[in-house]
Amino acid sequence: DGGITQSPKYLFRKEGQNVTLSCEQNLNHDAMYWYRQDPGQGLRLIYYSQIVNDFQKGDIAEGYSVSREKKESFPLTVTSAQKNPTAFYLCASSIQGRLAGGHNEQFFGPGTRLTVL
Amino acid sequence: AQKITQTQPGMFVQEKEAVTLDCTYDTSDPSYGLFWYKQPSSGEMIFLIYQGSYDQQNATEGRYSLNFQKARKSANLVISASQLGDSAMYFCAMRETAGGSYIPTFGRGTSLIVHP
Repeated sequence: DGGITQSPKYLFRKEGQNVTLSCEQNLNHDAMYWYRQDPGQGLRLIYYSQIVNDFQKGDIAEGYSVSREKKESFPLTVTSAQKNPTAFYLCASSIQGRLAGGHNEQFFGPGTRLTVL
Repeated sequence: AQKITQTQPGMFVQEKEAVTLDCTYDTSDPSYGLFWYKQPSSGEMIFLIYQGSYDQQNATEGRYSLNFQKARKSANLVISASQLGDSAMYFCAMRETAGGSYIPTFGRGTSLIVHP
């Protein structure tokens, strides 16, 4: 079955530690995205990638880093510089980021809930 | 200014009744797309329905329909014959083509609870 997997489902981090959230897709999608969701908030874009070896900052990129070495993988590292990292993190992909017209809807993974102890 | 506004933090509906979830948007781009997603308590976002700004007819997908009023800049989601499994958060999103990013912007969501 095609889809997006995120691991782990729950992650606990001590203050000052970096942690990496995994996101893998087998949908052959070009574009991938990372969002952060806080209670009562919509989704806020952290980083996105339209193509392998290229990515752009979203609205709240500070304290986060990403890589896109393979089409199917887009890991997110939450660094110690992120002041308030406790949140729900969602990874998504779409056929193309720049496809004008048509649905081009995003497909989402199950999410990772990160808690800083 | 918010690009997507969902004014109803929470909605309640009786099973088998219809419910409308409101969404208004703000854009000067003539070409844009509107999406609705469902987020159950498990957390995964599920795509429900899409409306393009140039589509002449309102989009429908099974029990979901989108009441698209372009002049009012509203894109309300209508769920007919509500089911208990419809209880979830619902998010409206808009993708603009101007500026070249094509990244959707999400509203804050509406929590829907379906009562038996």
